Amino acid sequence: EVQLLESGGGLVQPGGSLRLSCAASGLTFSSYAMTWVRQAPGKGLEWVSAIGGSGGSTYYADSVKGRFTISRDNSKNTLFLQMNSLRADDTAVYYCAKFRAPVPGGFDYWGQGTLVTVSS
Amino acid sequence: EIVMTQSPATLSVSPGERATLSCRASRSVTSNLAWYQQKPGQAPRLLIYGASTRATGIPARFSGSGSGTEFTLTISSLQSEDFAVYYCQQYNNWPPITFGQGTRLEIK
Repeated sequence: EVQLLESGGGLVQPGGSLRLSCAASGLTFSSYAMTWVRQAPGKGLEWVSAIGGSGGSTYYADSVKGRFTISRDNSKNTLFLQMNSLRADDTAVYYCAKFRAPVPGGFDYWGQGTLVTVSS
Repeated sequence: EIVMTQSPATLSVSPGERATLSCRASRSVTSNLAWYQQKPGQAPRLLIYGASTRATGIPARFSGSGSGTEFTLTISSLQSEDFAVYYCQQYNNWPPITFGQGTRLEIK
């Protein structure tokens, strides 16, 4: 059974940094692109970033480009999101998710989410 | 960026009845559209991909249709566990991958 477990969320001041992790199990991790999606309190889903299976290709939403960095360690089955220059509007639950493959088709497994709160 | 617009924002339906949710793309996404269900305090769950293919374990009462810019999610006979928020998502032209704003399906 595929499981994704996020960690690293918490309270951070504006301008601060945080690193999220997503530990994956039950899958051949390096075979799948992975992604981060966030959800501000009471709001809808917003795609944040994605990374190819090898880690060689990365993609970002304009709202986080230049501030967030996605990466992965396939030897440890772990996905990361380094978040710098955090702003109040980055406050959200951050989910990691797996791309459905081989046929493209959305995100078929999600973690439970980790809450990031940016506030002074 | 492709903008996804869902309607209505809130849909009130009685258990056992049919629910029809709509999603419109600002330009064609061919059939590269997914639907998700999200319950309070939970992560989203993939229901439909490729506009009409049910994901693993999804009951047959959920069906998707459409292509291009107009899509529909139909729940044929609502069960109590189906009352939730539903999101459409396009993955045809990305980045960015974009979601609709959601439709809240509530008990009438």
